[in-house]
Amino acid sequence: GAVVSQHPSRVICKSGTSVKIECRSLDFQATTMFWYRQFPKQSLMLMATSNEGSKATYEQGVEKDKFLINHASLTLSTLTVTSAHPEDSSFYICSAWTGASDTQYFGPGTRLTVL
Amino acid sequence: QQQVKQSPQSLIVQKGGISIINCAYENTAFDYFPWYQQFPGKGPALLIAIRPDVSEKKEGRFTISFNKSAKQFSLHIMDSQPGDSATYFCAAGYNFNKFYFGSGTKLNVKP
Repeated sequence: GAVVSQHPSRVICKSGTSVKIECRSLDFQATTMFWYRQFPKQSLMLMATSNEGSKATYEQGVEKDKFLINHASLTLSTLTVTSAHPEDSSFYICSAWTGASDTQYFGPGTRLTVL
Repeated sequence: QQQVKQSPQSLIVQKGGISIINCAYENTAFDYFPWYQQFPGKGPALLIAIRPDVSEKKEGRFTISFNKSAKQFSLHIMDSQPGDSATYFCAAGYNFNKFYFGSGTKLNVKP
């Protein structure tokens, strides 16, 4: 099956710093990538949808200036959490859609802890 | 507004038993209904999925039942095993694109 990787798997940062999370589709080209956020014992909440070469579409309530998304190529999307605060601590998961199948393939997630 | 409602929140089943998780949706535009399995600290993995033109789909021990008129679908896990213990999410999507997830069901299969 299609493989999606995320890097880093865990990151701890100080309040006020910025953190970049990478999402890569390893064996396929992803027309669209999605970024989700998951709080402990809760469901996945879609943050934004990104298509290669165009601006990301953010869900209502998600600050686009705080969560910068770049989809520079068909295999790479990045999420940058700018000026991170403790309330941004969460599990961030990306997924990728090939455009040729029905489903999204999820990455393993990145645990962000902001001190 | 929650697009997909999932129940129960948690489920305990004996080994060999049947696990049943239910989901309901509102938006009739949804045309793709996947189920995902998630282990702690990992991303969700696709388990099985169905389209609304089919009432049932079976893959191994996993079966999706779909009731279009009631806007409900369910996951049945036959012969449940301790290794099935995980959190299960239903989802609904359309245009091969945006997914809306249910709240999740934590399944515990006791040996």
